[in-house]
Amino acid sequence: GAVVSQHPSWVICKSGTSVKIECRSLDFQATTMFWYRQFPKQSLMLMATSNEGSKATYEQGVEKDKFLINHASLTLSTLTVTSAHPEDSSFYICSASQQTVYGYTFGSGTRLTVV
Amino acid sequence: TQLLEQSPQFLSIQEGENLTVYCNSSSVFSSLQWYRQEPGEGPVLLVTVVTGGEVKKLKRLTFQFGDARKDSSLHITAAQPGDTGLYLCAGPPETYQGGKLIFGQGTELSVKP
Repeated sequence: GAVVSQHPSWVICKSGTSVKIECRSLDFQATTMFWYRQFPKQSLMLMATSNEGSKATYEQGVEKDKFLINHASLTLSTLTVTSAHPEDSSFYICSASQQTVYGYTFGSGTRLTVV
Repeated sequence: TQLLEQSPQFLSIQEGENLTVYCNSSSVFSSLQWYRQEPGEGPVLLVTVVTGGEVKKLKRLTFQFGDARKDSSLHITAAQPGDTGLYLCAGPPETYQGGKLIFGQGTELSVKP
């Protein structure tokens, strides 16, 4: 089955630094990947749609200069949280699909803690 | 605007009980997916329903897609502690482009032994 690998699983960083999260589709090519943010006990909130070879599409209210997305190949998308602040602490999850109508495969998520 | 209303948001039951989770919308969806998520992990796809009126069974779990493709339900028979987790419905509305998913608010299920 389709496998999506996300790294790192958790990261702690200091305020003002940047953190990069990787999302890889291991056994299929993904022209589109999605990045979500999730707060404790809540559902997933879509942040942006990552398109291979073109600019990401951000959801309303998401700062594109703070959350930089790069989708340079058909198997890799990265999310960089720039100048991180404690309020950016959250659980970040990526997803991709071989055939969108049949469902998505999610990465295992990244727990970001900014201190 | 929340397009997918999921209920209940919290459910605590005893082992052996039955339960139903509902997902409703005023919009038509191309398909409806159900996911289960454990703490610290990404959601895992349980099932996708595509055709209006479709019913799918996965062991003790029964999934149904409404005739008009605007609603779905998940029924668990004889719940077990291993069923504990966050259940999420999600789908791409027919009017959306690019495969974006809309998620329901989630149902936090706790099954006590």
